[in-house]
Amino acid sequence: EDQVTQSPEALRLQEGESSSLNCSYTVSGLRGLFWYRQDPGKGPEFLFTLYSAGEEKEKERLKATLTKKESFLHITAPKPEDSATYLCAVQGFYNDYKLSFGAGTTVTVRA
Amino acid sequence: NAGVTQTPKFQVLKTGQSMTLQCAQDMNHNSMYWYRQDPGMGLRLIYYSASEGTTDKGEVPNGYNVSRLNKREFSLRLESAAPSQTSVYFCASSKQGASGNTIYFGEGSWLTVV
Repeated sequence: EDQVTQSPEALRLQEGESSSLNCSYTVSGLRGLFWYRQDPGKGPEFLFTLYSAGEEKEKERLKATLTKKESFLHITAPKPEDSATYLCAVQGFYNDYKLSFGAGTTVTVRA
Repeated sequence: NAGVTQTPKFQVLKTGQSMTLQCAQDMNHNSMYWYRQDPGMGLRLIYYSASEGTTDKGEVPNGYNVSRLNKREFSLRLESAAPSQTSVYFCASSKQGASGNTIYFGEGSWLTVV
């Protein structure tokens, strides 16, 4: 069974204070690792897909990296608008295109 | 571009009542999903439809039924609602591809069972 664990559960940052979120996973053959952003009262919004160890993707102040056991979401010089819950999910080759999600990390950025 | 549209957004039910959550996507996606989200537990898959004409159980299917009406529409039915089904429900869709399968979500339906 695929498993995803995210840490920390919550992260409070000062504006401009860079930090990283962790996503540890176990899956039988990784098809893709996904990062989503979720704002209160909204559905998850797709950010990145990573397919193989060593891959990196960037979008504005966010950078996602992938190893064989975990992924990191780095937030560089965050702004208050980066406050959200960040969700990590994995998809394996043998689970019929389904995603297994972690519980998320809630990031709060103070001005 | 609407993407994935769910209705209703909010609903309060009494224990034992039935209801159907409706979902439609306009992205010509093959696969559709229903997830529920509860505090501290992340998103859990209830049912999914890999393609039109097929449906399969996910992690937490008990108490639910689904219908893939056509390629665009996928409904979730609660036959006899229970307080344990109080949750936020998300419909999602994806276009399966060899390199992966990005899933896009609707805005959610908040269901309270009293």
